Amino acid sequence: QVQLQESGPGLVKPSQTLSLTCTVSGGSISSGSYYWSWIRQPAGKGLEWIGRIYTSGSTNYNPSLKSRVTISVDTSKNQFSLKLSSVTAADTAVYYCARRVVRGVTNWFDPWGQGTLVTVSS
Amino acid sequence: SSELTQDPAVSVALGQTVRITCQGDSLRSYYASWYQQKPGQAPVLVIYGKNNRPSGIPDRFSGSSSGNTASLTITGAQAEDEADYYCNSRDSSGNHPVFGGGTKLTVL
Repeated sequence: QVQLQESGPGLVKPSQTLSLTCTVSGGSISSGSYYWSWIRQPAGKGLEWIGRIYTSGSTNYNPSLKSRVTISVDTSKNQFSLKLSSVTAADTAVYYCARRVVRGVTNWFDPWGQGTLVTVSS
Repeated sequence: SSELTQDPAVSVALGQTVRITCQGDSLRSYYASWYQQKPGQAPVLVIYGKNNRPSGIPDRFSGSSSGNTASLTITGAQAEDEADYYCNSRDSSGNHPVFGGGTKLTVL
């Protein structure tokens, strides 16, 4: 059973770069046809898709964040990572990694990591 | 604002049936998936595709779709079903996933 776990600093200063890693266990990040994704949720608010990296290494980002986001993969460590540059207080949120499955007109996110809170503050 | 619209809050009496809806143009072309989120926890997939439940999800959860509206129905709501529910599909371009704003379900 595939499991995901986020890791990274819980506090980032304004204007700096937020960096998080998602470790995949129970299966290879390189196998299958999956979209390894990042999603965030500010306190008391809804879910926002940030972006994803496909098994092949191709990426796709939320247009509203595209200029600041980079998602990469390290297959040797079975991990994928998120970098969000020039952060502000508005980027304070719980960040989740999740596996997205697409089958024709159907898509879903499963499983999800437990989430990690990142606070942007000086 | 999200391209998928959900009612902010819905309530249901214990044991009764409740429907949570999600509206958006992309739902005419793509199925929605549904997630349950309890306080302090990560979202959990409850319905995907036409009407598929992952292993471990009770059969009181079901999904349906008509036109631009997807629905999550809980038949015989239990106290443990009190949670936030989010729908997910694609944006109007079809290129990116998007979530609805979420519905807070209260079981009375």
